Amino acid sequence: GAVVSQHPSRVICKSGTSVKIECRSLDFQATTMFWYRQFPKQSLMLMATSNEGSKATYEQGVEKDKFLINHASLTLSTLTVTSAHPEDSSFYICSGTSSLSYEQYFGPGTRLTVT
Amino acid sequence: KQEVTQIPAALSVPEGENLVLNCSFTDSAIYNLQWFRQDPGKGLTSLLLIQSSQREQTSGRLNASLDKSSGRSTLYIAASQPGDSATYLCAVNTGNQFYFGTGTSLTVIP
Repeated sequence: GAVVSQHPSRVICKSGTSVKIECRSLDFQATTMFWYRQFPKQSLMLMATSNEGSKATYEQGVEKDKFLINHASLTLSTLTVTSAHPEDSSFYICSGTSSLSYEQYFGPGTRLTVT
Repeated sequence: KQEVTQIPAALSVPEGENLVLNCSFTDSAIYNLQWFRQDPGKGLTSLLLIQSSQREQTSGRLNASLDKSSGRSTLYIAASQPGDSATYLCAVNTGNQFYFGTGTSLTVIP
């Protein structure tokens, strides 16, 4: 199946700093990429949807100025958590779909810990 | 708005048993439905994808069914193994967005 990678897999940062998470589709062109967040023992929550070359669409309650999403190419999307706070500590997962299929391919996730 | 519910929230079975996980959704206008497995701290692993025109999909010991008109899907796991212990999520794709269920936490006891 198609492969999506995320980097880094784990990151620890200090409160107030910014962190960038990369999501790459390795063997397909991801026309649409999704970013999810999962708090412990809860289901994944969709944060935003991004189409290549367009501005991301954010879900209600997600601060677009805090969670900057860039989808500049068909194989790369980035999520930048700006001015991180401890409550931003979570598991962030990206996924991508191609124009050929609605199947969603997930990255392995990034564990963010803000101290 | 689409709502996806999974029952039960948690399930514990002895090894070797067959089991069924349930997923229900409120809006039948879907493109497909996926079942995922999630191990603690890991990303989701796609298990089965059922297109809206399909009734079921099979992969090994897994069989997923879809009844779009009634808004239901089931994941059947045959001859369960301890390695099947994980959280199982279903997700509905409306074409524009994915809606996830809350998951069923499965424990298979050796």
